Amino acid sequence: EAQLLESGGGLVQPGGSLRLSCAASGFSFSSYVMSWVRQAPGKGLEWVSAIRGSGGSTYYADPVKGRFTISRDNPKNTLYLQMNSLRAEDTAVYYCAKDIGSSGYSVTDNYYYYGMDVWGQGTTVTVSS
Amino acid sequence: AIQMTQSPSSLSASVGDRVTITCRASQGIRNDLGWYQQKPGKAPKLLIYAASTLQSGVPSRFSGSGSGTDFTLTISSLQPEDFATYYCLQDYTYPWTFGQGTKVEIK
Repeated sequence: EAQLLESGGGLVQPGGSLRLSCAASGFSFSSYVMSWVRQAPGKGLEWVSAIRGSGGSTYYADPVKGRFTISRDNPKNTLYLQMNSLRAEDTAVYYCAKDIGSSGYSVTDNYYYYGMDVWGQGTTVTVSS
Repeated sequence: AIQMTQSPSSLSASVGDRVTITCRASQGIRNDLGWYQQKPGKAPKLLIYAASTLQSGVPSRFSGSGSGTDFTLTISSLQPEDFATYYCLQDYTYPWTFGQGTKVEIK
């Protein structure tokens, strides 16, 4: 069974840094796009970042571009999110999520569709002085 | 970035009701759209991807439709365990963007 376990959250002052980790198990980690999604208290979901299986391509939401860095260590089956220059508005529960991978391939369309089918339980980041 | 406008933001319904939630993209996204369900304090759950493909294990009362800019999630007969918040997500192009969510409450 595929599982994801986030860690690394905590309280940090504005302007500080934090690194989140997401330990994966039960699937071939290097074969899947992985994402980070966050949810501020009482708010909706916000996609943050994604990285391809090889780690060669990374993508970011505009509010975090230039401050956050996504990376992965495939031999260690671990996803990371390095967060720098943190702001109060970065306060949220951060989830890592696995893509559906080859299950999303449509023979009819000859196209791979995305979908985040496995999620961690989330780790809480609080940015406050 | 592509904007996703979801409506309504909340609705009240009874068990057995047919429920429809819509999502509109600010530009065409083919059928690169997913629907997610989230219950309080829990991680989101994938219901539908590619606009209309039911994720494995998801009950058939859930269905999705649409292409281009307009999409719909339908729950054919609302069950007690369906009371939750639902989000659409466009994964056509980065940055991916969620709708603002629809909270389905008990009438």
